[in-house]
Amino acid sequence: KAGVTQTPRYLIKTRGQQVTLSCSPISGHRSVSWYQQTPGQGLQFLFEYFSETQRNKGNFPGRFSGRQFSNSRSEMNVSTLELGDSALYLCASSLGTRGDKEAFFGQGTRLTVV
Amino acid sequence: GENVGLHLPTLSVQEGDNSIINCAYSNSASDYFIWYKQESGKGPQFIIDIRSNMDKRQGQRVTVLLNKTVKHLSLQIAATQPGDSAVYFCAENLTEKLTFGTGTRLTIIP
Repeated sequence: KAGVTQTPRYLIKTRGQQVTLSCSPISGHRSVSWYQQTPGQGLQFLFEYFSETQRNKGNFPGRFSGRQFSNSRSEMNVSTLELGDSALYLCASSLGTRGDKEAFFGQGTRLTVV
Repeated sequence: GENVGLHLPTLSVQEGDNSIINCAYSNSASDYFIWYKQESGKGPQFIIDIRSNMDKRQGQRVTVLLNKTVKHLSLQIAATQPGDSAVYFCAENLTEKLTFGTGTRLTIIP
């Protein structure tokens, strides 16, 4: 069974640009969550999608957005990139039902903003 | 690694000894807890989980203890091996949102 796949693994962008990251969850998982990991702030929750709907949201500005497709794949978009957006972006997938909360992470996308 | 900027608690353990990593969680309503292991350059790897209606759960070489009275979680690793070197995070789940602790860096002394 394939794990969570994130693409690309590495990305370099300049300030002001926008970026789209992709996450393919484990087959059968309907929930995809996104996290930002930085040396200064640790792992912080961005948002969660379940059945194409944003179900949960963290405390990030509106420049951070996401969506989920009918096949549960998810994309995350960051617009007007700032230097502080440099981070490892992780997605986690789970079944998303109340009784099954095991969440599995992908390898992450390392975004560097210059 | 991803967490070098944080003041990560560090635990150094002799190879073969047992390790105990502690975590305090914040929300008494959290109903599910997970321990993750993160090696340099990789995403967090699921180790073991526990629901709030339990106080102990065992896996292969790992045991998680939950004390809801003081909102404390611990991860015990038996017979620590070099491959156990990593940063360990606890996470609490409330309404499908994981909140992570800052992590503990485990270093194995040969």
